[in-house]
Amino acid sequence: DAGITQSPRHKVTETGTPVTLRCHQTENHRYMYWYRQDPGHGLRLIHYSYGVKDTDKGEVSDGYSVSRSKTEDFLLTLESATSSQTSVYFCAINPGQGRTEAFFGQGTRLTVV
Amino acid sequence: QQQVKQSPQSLIVQKGGISIINCAYENTAFDYFPWYQQFPGKGPALLIAIRPDVSEKKEGRFTISFNKSAKQFSLHIMDSQPGDSATYFCAASMEGYQKVTFGIGTKLQVIP
Repeated sequence: DAGITQSPRHKVTETGTPVTLRCHQTENHRYMYWYRQDPGHGLRLIHYSYGVKDTDKGEVSDGYSVSRSKTEDFLLTLESATSSQTSVYFCAINPGQGRTEAFFGQGTRLTVV
Repeated sequence: QQQVKQSPQSLIVQKGGISIINCAYENTAFDYFPWYQQFPGKGPALLIAIRPDVSEKKEGRFTISFNKSAKQFSLHIMDSQPGDSATYFCAASMEGYQKVTFGIGTKLQVIP
């Protein structure tokens, strides 16, 4: 694994509660991404970051927010979890500088009950 | 809008056979086409990638075929092995645009 740690790896939470997932990298890569993976939908981009405090929305950003206060950490927050946000969440990193390969973390399985 | 269409969603192949997964894209600005392999409980990992200036790229038993005029590309796994059983994602991106668009994935099962 390319120096990416996601935490927690598994979480069960109740509808309406806020949830924060953490992605930590040791590669000092510029770009960081949050994806969700669902059967029949593949990997869909939620938010991404191109630097400290620089973030942008992906294709499925509603109900999610992100923050990046340090190069190594990218947080994903579900402001008020819903059952439709039950999914496997992946963090990915990319060094930029013309390289397009993404390195993925191990994933976080989130269940909203 | 699905910018990268992948088929089939599931595939069963006998050991030693050829596995073929197809993808089509719409955006002609895409110029990098990677394939990712994902084992259960793991994150996807880059398997092989191609740029549109070549029609084929081979790495071991894995080959990407690329048809620029048809906007299609495919992954061929020769001599498929049970250890190849995984989910495969095709993807596309644009140079200088650090976002990757993924297909929906193909779950491959290679049976002995």
